[in-house]
Amino acid sequence: NAGVTQTPKFQVLKTGQSMTLQCAQDMNHEYMSWYRQDPGMGLRLIHYSVGAGITDQGEVPNGYNVSRSTTEDFPLRLLSAAPSQTSVYFCASSGPTYEQYFGPGTRLTVT
Amino acid sequence: AQSVTQLGSHVSVSEGALVLLRCNYSSSVPPYLFWYVQYPNQGLQLLLKYTSAATLVKGINGFEAEFKKSETSFHLTKPSAHMSDAAEYFCAVRGGGNKLTFGTGTQLKVEL
Repeated sequence: NAGVTQTPKFQVLKTGQSMTLQCAQDMNHEYMSWYRQDPGMGLRLIHYSVGAGITDQGEVPNGYNVSRSTTEDFPLRLLSAAPSQTSVYFCASSGPTYEQYFGPGTRLTVT
Repeated sequence: AQSVTQLGSHVSVSEGALVLLRCNYSSSVPPYLFWYVQYPNQGLQLLLKYTSAATLVKGINGFEAEFKKSETSFHLTKPSAHMSDAAEYFCAVRGGGNKLTFGTGTQLKVEL
């Protein structure tokens, strides 16, 4: 199993550009989530999904959109990037035993 | 609502010394608690979890944690630190559904 995969690993955007961060898992987990990690702030939940077709907002959803058309994929879209969205983004999934499995992260810089 | 407080953003120990990383939680329901480790430029890896079974939980790499309801604590310990333990450690509590609330992390430095 590949577990949770994320692409790209690194990305530089200009202010106002849009992009999609990809996340996929092959563990047949219903729950998937996106976090951002900033120094001294731990991980903060952006959006999450409890199954295909069901998404909800987390702690810091503004400026981000998600959709969940399949169990495997949970992309995160930045509609109009801002410097405040410079961060490391992690995707995670979890199954019935509740522990979350994390991807390797995407390091995003917005200039 | 759930919350986690990790005391000490940086902890430094000598190789071979006891490691103690502190975590206190707040939860409106019986908590599920987790410790994760993050090595530089990597994702988070589960160290151990508490899910209301035994209060002393053993994890990977020689780490363990004890759930103390009266103190609302879930401190992480390791009897003897190794250089390879240098990393950032996060405590987390499960909320509604499978949502996790993380602490702000503790950077562990191991010195010779």
